[in-house]
Amino acid sequence: NAGVTQTPKFQVLKTGQSMTLQCAQDMNHEYMSWYRQDPGMGLRLIHYSVGAGITDQGEVPNGYNVSRSTTEDFPLRLLSAAPSQTSVYFCASSGRWDSGNTIYFGEGSWLTVV
Amino acid sequence: AQKITQTQPGMFVQEKEAVTLDCTYDTSDPSYGLFWYKQPSSGEMIFLIYQGSYDQQNATEGRYSLNFQKARKSANLVISASQLGDSAMYFCAMRERLDSNYQLIWGAGTKLIIKP
Repeated sequence: NAGVTQTPKFQVLKTGQSMTLQCAQDMNHEYMSWYRQDPGMGLRLIHYSVGAGITDQGEVPNGYNVSRSTTEDFPLRLLSAAPSQTSVYFCASSGRWDSGNTIYFGEGSWLTVV
Repeated sequence: AQKITQTQPGMFVQEKEAVTLDCTYDTSDPSYGLFWYKQPSSGEMIFLIYQGSYDQQNATEGRYSLNFQKARKSANLVISASQLGDSAMYFCAMRERLDSNYQLIWGAGTKLIIKP
């Protein structure tokens, strides 16, 4: 009963370092996405994927890369971390759009860039 | 123009009272969907309720119900008999078609505090 699994839960990075946030789902969902949530704010879409091999940019894609080589995994890469990327990151997945499916979230990853 | 608007940044409500959290939306997609999520202080996003644009009846899930007024483009969340554990951030979100895919747009949230 894993649902959406995100790792790591907490990470501190130095400016300029790179890292990958991992996201995996075991529900065979087509749609996966990454959001960031800054303090006191709602969610903003970084990148999303509608299936293996297909990714697209969201509202705030700069500084991030994604890939979707399998249905299950959707990692988010920070290429050269900046203090502005300090945020909480959420991975989400859902079934087909036309099925009114619930969107499932991972537990979040708290990232601090110093 | 804002696509999802939550006009109440914060609310204080007495325990056991009913609560209405406002959400208005704007879309030209006829087949949209509306979600409400709860985010407690621990940070996780908890799904509460979903309303499809073609659903004839207002969605209900336990103590949660959605007051869906399509003509007014409003989808307010109603929590009956509030409990201390209802204290959290609440987010309204809309899913609409974008080209051949869809996008999910989030409101800024309402911080609900239940007073004992």
